[in-house]
Amino acid sequence: DQQVKQNSPSLSVQEGRISILNCDYTNSMFDYFLWYKKYPAEGPTFLISISSIKDKNEDGRFTVFLNKSAKHLSLHIVPSQPGDSAVYFCAARESGTASKLTFGTGTRLQVTL
Amino acid sequence: GAVVSQHPSWVICKSGTSVKIECRSLDFQATTMFWYRQFPKQSLMLMATSNEGSKATYEQGVEKDKFLINHASLTLSTLTVTSAHPEDSSFYICSAAGLAGISYEQYFGPGTRLTVT
Repeated sequence: DQQVKQNSPSLSVQEGRISILNCDYTNSMFDYFLWYKKYPAEGPTFLISISSIKDKNEDGRFTVFLNKSAKHLSLHIVPSQPGDSAVYFCAARESGTASKLTFGTGTRLQVTL
Repeated sequence: GAVVSQHPSWVICKSGTSVKIECRSLDFQATTMFWYRQFPKQSLMLMATSNEGSKATYEQGVEKDKFLINHASLTLSTLTVTSAHPEDSSFYICSAAGLAGISYEQYFGPGTRLTVT
């Protein structure tokens, strides 16, 4: 049972445009959400997170939006850069600071020139 | 930021042998460490959670006698794949959870590529 889903396995965006990566979840006990960037043969790198008490968090070019009623979150990258090309995973966590993360299936982002 | 290392970064072993992978938190104390496995083009799947000084908690479907986890100190956890078989070939990633500066988060290691021939 996949509790965190990323329905788009891949996304291609032109440099300078906005990249929007989507994530849906089913577990209403999740209260903290994270986005990770991952290159092949490397560990995930933390990008940005959001608590369920917020609906938006912004850090530089990265903004995460959370719609609790729809159990949906999205990551916006603007402007997209070629170095953003990677696999992006969303992850969710139940309350408790050391609780395990449940990862989505990942979206491969390709930023083209 | 917090640094987590893994050793080795890649290993090739023969079927039937055992392989030990180390995970270290270099600049903070990790009260909890997690071990994940990732098959090609798939998500990271949690294998087990280990707390320092206690037995690991394994996820459903993960054989605890095959994947031995030891978390002997606040900076080191090891995963031993016993009697490895080709189907155990995968990318193994650890993460360490602890207080690094003002942030309490999970920090991931760079991963270990295991190939069993």
